[in-house]
Amino acid sequence: QITLKESGPTLVKPTQTLTLTCTFSGFSLNSIGVGVGWIRQPPGKALEWLALIYWNDDERYRPSLKSRLSITKGTSKNQVVLTMTNMDPVDTATYYCVHRLELSGSVLDPSGWFDPWGQGTLVTVSS
Amino acid sequence: QSALTQPASLSGSPGQSITISCTGTSTDVGIFNYVSWHQQYPGRAPKLMIYDVTNRPSGVSDRFSGSKSGNTASLTISGLQAEDEADYYCSSYTTYRSWVFGGGTKLTVL
Repeated sequence: QITLKESGPTLVKPTQTLTLTCTFSGFSLNSIGVGVGWIRQPPGKALEWLALIYWNDDERYRPSLKSRLSITKGTSKNQVVLTMTNMDPVDTATYYCVHRLELSGSVLDPSGWFDPWGQGTLVTVSS
Repeated sequence: QSALTQPASLSGSPGQSITISCTGTSTDVGIFNYVSWHQQYPGRAPKLMIYDVTNRPSGVSDRFSGSKSGNTASLTISGLQAEDEADYYCSSYTTYRSWVFGGGTKLTVL
């Protein structure tokens, strides 16, 4: 059974850097075709895809936020870390960690899915 | 890279069929068959319902089906049930090597 759980601060101040950790079980980020991503959802609004890291260290970012985002594999083999700099109140959202699987085993053929998702963690940006 | 366009809300009666549209562009939906649909209940994490336009994951009811024509993908729910009342989001891979979600559709079962 695959599970993911997000952890990090619930409140950050404007201009600060947010660091979120995704701790997962039931799969290996060393397995071909596997990735871990981050998706957020502002209160009452739609989902926004943020970033993804694959088993082969290929990193993908939301184009409009690329300069502020960094996704890395954690020091533990079952963790992925998302860093977002220069936080603003508009970044207030529930941040989800999600498992990604490419059925083809290739990042060049992203035939697969984002599933399952973690429970999400609400991050509020306020002074 | 703009969000995919979905109707904000839809409603249907039990037993009816409804279709949710998801309109993108030639840089996402129109060029790739990598469209997914997720269902989300209030306060809960999304759940995958359809991937790669038409495929249903194991355990998802066959009342859910997906299709695509040109720049528009669609999710059809047949035999509408009260438990189908939820928010639905489409998503697509893009030419920017990233993914984009739709604005979401709130489905009400009357």
